[in-house]
Amino acid sequence: NAGVTQTPKFRVLKTGQSMTLLCAQDMNHEYMYWYRQDPGMGLRLIHYSVGEGTTAKGEVPDGYNVSRLKKQNFLLGLESAAPSQTSVYFCASSYAGSSYEQYFGPGTRLTVT
Amino acid sequence: DAKTTQPNSMESNEEEPVHLPCNHSTISGTDYIHWYRQLPSQGPEYVIHGLTSNVNNRMASLAIAEDRKSSTLILHRATLRDAAVYYCILRRVGGYQKVTFGTGTKLQVIP
Repeated sequence: NAGVTQTPKFRVLKTGQSMTLLCAQDMNHEYMYWYRQDPGMGLRLIHYSVGEGTTAKGEVPDGYNVSRLKKQNFLLGLESAAPSQTSVYFCASSYAGSSYEQYFGPGTRLTVT
Repeated sequence: DAKTTQPNSMESNEEEPVHLPCNHSTISGTDYIHWYRQLPSQGPEYVIHGLTSNVNNRMASLAIAEDRKSSTLILHRATLRDAAVYYCILRRVGGYQKVTFGTGTKLQVIP
């Protein structure tokens, strides 16, 4: 099993450009999450999904959109990138319920100039 | 939402036990206590979780206070590979809860 994979690993964008980050999991998990981590800080939840076709806002959703058209994929979109969105983005997945651990991907380092 | 408090950093000598504390005085009776760690330049990884009783697994032990207002992650013999940021988080039973990872405890292991 590959676990949780993220594409791309690195990306540099100019202000105003758009892009989509792809997260894929092969563990048949119901829940998927997108976090961002800024230098010296913990992870903050952007959006999450509790099942195919459903998404919900997390702690810092502004400037991002998500879609979960297939159970195994969770896409994070930036429609008009801003320098404040420079960060490392982590995707995670888990079985349904709070007693299950989250499995994290390796992260995507995004720089917006 | 219930919050957790952890020391910013701790040090340990290699091959000695490490006790990482976490305070969660406003914990609800339906909150699970989860621990994750993040090695440098990697995504977080699950370490252990518990509800009321102490828990052991191959990575660590989790000691939960009787009143559940605090818990301690125990690494029995620290290795250099255990140098990481350790996060203590709470997750409520019965569906998804917005959880916050906080800044965690940065553990330094001294050879």
